[in-house]
Formats: sequence, C-alpha cells, structure tokens
Amino acid sequence: SQTIHQWPATLVQPVGSPLSLECTVEGTSNPNLYWYRQAAGRGLQLLFYSVGIGQISSEVPQNLSASRPQDRQFILSSKKLLLSDSGFYLCAWSGIAGTLSYNEQFFGPGTRLTVL
Amino acid sequence: GESVGLHLPTLSVQEGDNSIINCAYSNSASDYFIWYKQESGKGPQFIIDIRSNMDKRQGQRVTVLLNKTVKHLSLQIAATQPGDSAVYFCAENMDAGNMLTFGGGTRLMVKP
Repeated sequence: SQTIHQWPATLVQPVGSPLSLECTVEGTSNPNLYWYRQAAGRGLQLLFYSVGIGQISSEVPQNLSASRPQDRQFILSSKKLLLSDSGFYLCAWSGIAGTLSYNEQFFGPGTRLTVL
Repeated sequence: GESVGLHLPTLSVQEGDNSIINCAYSNSASDYFIWYKQESGKGPQFIIDIRSNMDKRQGQRVTVLLNKTVKHLSLQIAATQPGDSAVYFCAENMDAGNMLTFGGGTRLMVKP
C-alpha cells in the first residue's frame, strides 16, 4: 500500500530564517506530487506540482521554491521566511495516467509552520 | 483561487440528523469530482467521488449528488455522528489533467 510522509509535523521559525519541508511517498512509482498551503480556517492553495524528477510548476508567485531530487521526494524551501508564510503545509500525490489513482490526490499529515 | 481567501461557512447539525453540504463548481468541462474530509490538524481524506456520467453515488452513510446543469455538487451524510465533525472540501478535475481545483470548504459541527 502507498503511504505519504511529511516532516517535521510542526515548526516554529523566526522571520528571515530558511525553511526546508520534506515529503516522501512510498509504495508507488513516478507519482505526481503537490504542495498546498492552508491558512487557518481557510481553503487549500496549490503552491507547486511536479510530474517528474526535476520538473516543478509553480502556481502562484511565492517566497517559496520546490524541488524534486528523487522520484518520491518533494521538498519545499525558502531562503528567508516571512510572517505571511505561516500556515499548514500539505503534500499530496496522485498516480499516473491510466491508473486507478490518477484523479484522486492522497494527502500527507501536514506540517504546521509558525513564523514569528 | 478566490475561494482560498474566504473564511469557512459553518453548518451546525444535531447528532442523528442528516447533513447536506453544498458546493458550486466552476468549470463545465470538469468530469470528476471528489469530496474530502479534513479533521483538525490533519490532512484531507477521501470520502467519495463521482464522475460526470453519473448523477448520484452512494457510499456508507454518504451520498454525493451531481447536477451538471447548474454545476452543483452536494454531499449528504446520513445519521450524522460527532465523528463527522470536520471541514469538508469538494474538488473538481478535468480528465485532461490531474489537477484538482478545491472549493473553499464547509465546516460541519455536530451537536450531541
């Protein structure tokens, strides 16, 4: 079975510090990967998605960047955090075309980031 | 999307009653829809899905209705339980890609 992991679960960082959040998927190959942000009490905002190693698409201009160094690893980074970067960060994966899991996205447990 | 900036509407129901959560989707070309449940502090979890060639699909205690004419999706929860308290999101997908567009979400509160 497939599983998705995110760490850390919670993070408190000062303004101006760097950020690195990691997401890994097990039990599937060549997944599509996604990073979302969710502000408190609000909906999901897609930040980045990736259809393969080294392929990253950005949905909105951000103080953030994403990388996919390995097939099942997706990293969200920032060089200098802003207060507005606080939120709940969710990683998700979906299967490739032709598979049953193509349309559905499976979410990780999330990372709660607080920037002070 | 613009729904991301809105505070979540809340639906409050009595335990044992039926709940109906509504969602208006935006793209008439969307042909696949999902309902997700998100409990506090956790990632969204799949509840039920429906393709555009169907009007209704039933699961365990949940039913999804799709009205393509008015681009409306609803989630019905029968005999709502305290464990159903969560935020519910609808999402739409066009078959041409696997990008999901999420609705703004509805918070369901179940009163004992």
